[in-house]
This record gives sequence, C-alpha cells and structure tokens, in this order.
Amino acid sequence: SQTIHQWPATLVQPVGSPLSLECTVEGTSNPNLYWYRQAAGRGLQLLFYSVGIGQISSEVPQNLSASRPQDRQFILSSKKLLLSDSGFYLCAWSRTGREPQHFGDGTRLSIL
Amino acid sequence: GQQVMQIPQYQHVQEGEDFTTYCNSSTTLSNIQWYKQRPGGHPVFLIQLVKSGEVKKQKRLTFQFGEAKKNSSLHITATQTTDVGTYFCAGRNQFYFGTGTSLTVIP
Repeated sequence: SQTIHQWPATLVQPVGSPLSLECTVEGTSNPNLYWYRQAAGRGLQLLFYSVGIGQISSEVPQNLSASRPQDRQFILSSKKLLLSDSGFYLCAWSRTGREPQHFGDGTRLSIL
Repeated sequence: GQQVMQIPQYQHVQEGEDFTTYCNSSTTLSNIQWYKQRPGGHPVFLIQLVKSGEVKKQKRLTFQFGEAKKNSSLHITATQTTDVGTYFCAGRNQFYFGTGTSLTVIP
C-alpha cells in the first residue's frame, strides 16, 4: 500500500530564516505531487505541483520554491520566511491529475 | 485561480438534522471529488463522481453530480457529532479545491 510522510509536524521559525519541508511517498512510482497551504479556517491554496522529477509548476508567485530531486520526494523551501508564510502546509500525491489525492499529516508553521 | 465555489461557508446544525453543501463551477467538470477534513487533521478523500447526473451514497452521505456537470452536492442525513469537519469539493483536474463548508454539529 502507498504511504505519504511529511515532516516536521510543527515548526516555529523567526522571520527571515530559511525553510525546508520534506515529503516522501512510498509504494508507488511517478506520482503527481502537490504542496498546498491552508490558512487558519480557510480553504486549500495550491502552491506547487509536479508530474515528474525536476518538473515543477508554480501556481502562486511568492518567496517559496519547490524541488523534486527524486521520484517520490518533494521539498518546499524558502530562503527568507515572511510573517505571511504562517499556515498549515500539506503535501499530497495522486496517480494522475484526475485521480484522488492523498494527503500527508501536514506541517503547522508559525513565523515569529 | 480557483473556479469552484462552495456554499455555505459555515453551517451549524443540531444533532439529527440534515445538512447539505453545494459546489458550483463556472465550467464543465470532467469529474468531481469530495473530501472531509476533521478539525486539526488533513483532507481525506470521500468519493469521486464522473457521470452526468450521477448519485452515490455512503451510509448517511449522498453525493450528486449535476446534469450539466457544473455543480455537485453533498447531503448528510441525520447528522452526528462524528460528521464535524470541513467538506471540500475538488474539480478541474482536482488541483483546485472549493472554498469548503465547515460543519458544526451541536449535541
């Protein structure tokens, strides 16, 4: 069976510090991978998605970036965090763009 | 940007009452998916609808896909406290989620 791992679960970072969130998927190959951000009490905002290694599509211009160095690894990064980067970050995978998405447990990021 | 709208944004019901959330798209959808997110948790896939006019049931939950494949609804009969959470629809290749409906069930 397939599993998705996302870490850390919570993170508190000062403004201006760098960020690296990692997501890995097991039990499948060449999945579609996604990063979402969810502000408190709000909907899901798609940040990045990837259909293959090295292929990243950005949905929202911002100070975040994503990389897919391996088939089942998806990384969300920032060189300098802003207060507005606070939120709940979710990684997800699907077999194709039309199949159900399966989410990781998420990372709660607080910027101080 | 997103083209899938959901109403209502919030709904409070007494336990035992019914609940419905609606999902509307400005364009025809190839299919639509529904997810549930419990408070503090992550979205979990519930169901996918593909055919025009399709109706699917999961116990007390009934999902419908409109004839024009531009809208969908989720109806819960006789809500229970375990139904609490936010319900999202997703369309347009499922990259884009609706705004969600947060359901509170009052015991």
